[in-house]
Amino acid sequence: SAVISQKPSRDICQRGTSLTIQCQVDSQVTMMFWYRQQPGQSLTLIATANQGSEATYESGFVIDKFPISRPNLTFSTLTVSNMSPEDSSIYLCSVLYPGLTSYEQYFGPGTRLTVT
Amino acid sequence: AQSVTQPDIHITVSEGASLELRCNYSYGATPYLFWYVQSPGQGLQLLLKYFSGDTLVQGIKGFEAEFKRSQSSFNLRKPSVHWSDAAEYFCAVNTGTASKLTFGTGTRLQVTL
Repeated sequence: SAVISQKPSRDICQRGTSLTIQCQVDSQVTMMFWYRQQPGQSLTLIATANQGSEATYESGFVIDKFPISRPNLTFSTLTVSNMSPEDSSIYLCSVLYPGLTSYEQYFGPGTRLTVT
Repeated sequence: AQSVTQPDIHITVSEGASLELRCNYSYGATPYLFWYVQSPGQGLQLLLKYFSGDTLVQGIKGFEAEFKRSQSSFNLRKPSVHWSDAAEYFCAVNTGTASKLTFGTGTRLQVTL
């Protein structure tokens, strides 16, 4: 399985500022994903990030608010821009990794963001 | 569009008792189905998955799940729960389109000693 790390693990930010979250994988993967988990809620996909192409955003998420970089096959960043308290969530990255018989999706530990 | 329903928001079981967490999906064909567990302050860990073949799948930590096409269900089971199983459990579906996962709302499991 893939080992995924995220930085920072948590942060408290003021409204109007931006935070960049890093996701590092211990092996090369083609597909990476960014999810948001609002307090007490399930996970919602923000975007899919493939190396060498623009990220694909889900309905309700836009690049100006959540710009994503994918400079290589082991790294990605998600920026939460112009933050408001509604952005307080856990942000998780995941990767699609080939298992023995199929592709499996593995998740990082998440970044807990609080916006004041 | 596909969807996943986990009818039980919160379940409490005694340690040593059996467990069944319900998951129903909505999709026209056979989806790829997953169960993940999220311990407090942790990321998601893959428990098991169903892609095809045997409808009873075994996972890690003694969990199993059964795919029932007629009921559009993929319920998670464990014969004897341990206190360390207390966590949030998410069912997810992937219809194969761009490998995107759609998650259910989760079931929080509490284990009493």
